[in-house]
Amino acid sequence: EVQLVESGGGLVKPGSSLKLSCVASGFTFSSYGMHWIRQAPKKGLEWIALIYYDSSNKYYADSVKGRFTISRDNSKNTLYLEMNSLRSEDTAMYYCAPGRGLAYWGQGTLVTVSS
Amino acid sequence: DVVLTQTPSILSATIGQSVSISCRSSQSLLDSDGNTYLYWFLQRPGQSPQRLIYLVSNLGSGVPNRFSGSGSGTDFTLKISGVEAEDLGVYYCMQATHALTFGSGTKLEIK
Repeated sequence: EVQLVESGGGLVKPGSSLKLSCVASGFTFSSYGMHWIRQAPKKGLEWIALIYYDSSNKYYADSVKGRFTISRDNSKNTLYLEMNSLRSEDTAMYYCAPGRGLAYWGQGTLVTVSS
Repeated sequence: DVVLTQTPSILSATIGQSVSISCRSSQSLLDSDGNTYLYWFLQRPGQSPQRLIYLVSNLGSGVPNRFSGSGSGTDFTLKISGVEAEDLGVYYCMQATHALTFGSGTKLEIK
């Protein structure tokens, strides 16, 4: 059974940093590109970052480019999202998902940026 | 960037009614490899999104066959043949041909 477990969210002040994790199981993590997608309260889905299976390429949405960094540790089946210079508009539920077709989603981790 | 326009934004249906949701892309989603990377997801209230349809018309694992997808190029449709109570939620189309973008969503309400 595929499982994706996100963690690391919380309440932080504007300008702060936070690092999210996504632990994967039930599939060959090292063979899949991985995405981070977020959803602001009462809003739609927004793709924010992609990392290739071997970390050779990384892509970001303009809204987070230069502030967020996606990475992975295939030996730990874990995906990361390092978030710096957080803004109120980064408040959202953050999900990880594998592959081009996002066949599986975790339960998400909530990030709240507020003073 | 590719923009996906979903219509309608809100859909109200009775149990057993058949409904359709449209997703129109600002660019063709036919990839150079011959695939069209268009997907449909359902997000039930309080839950994570779940994939219903992949590559335009393929039913996801465990998805009831009352759901079907069709279309090509820039115009795509999700059809529910006989809405059930458990189908309420927000439906999103997504394309992965040109980076990855989501439509704005269609909320299905049960009358």
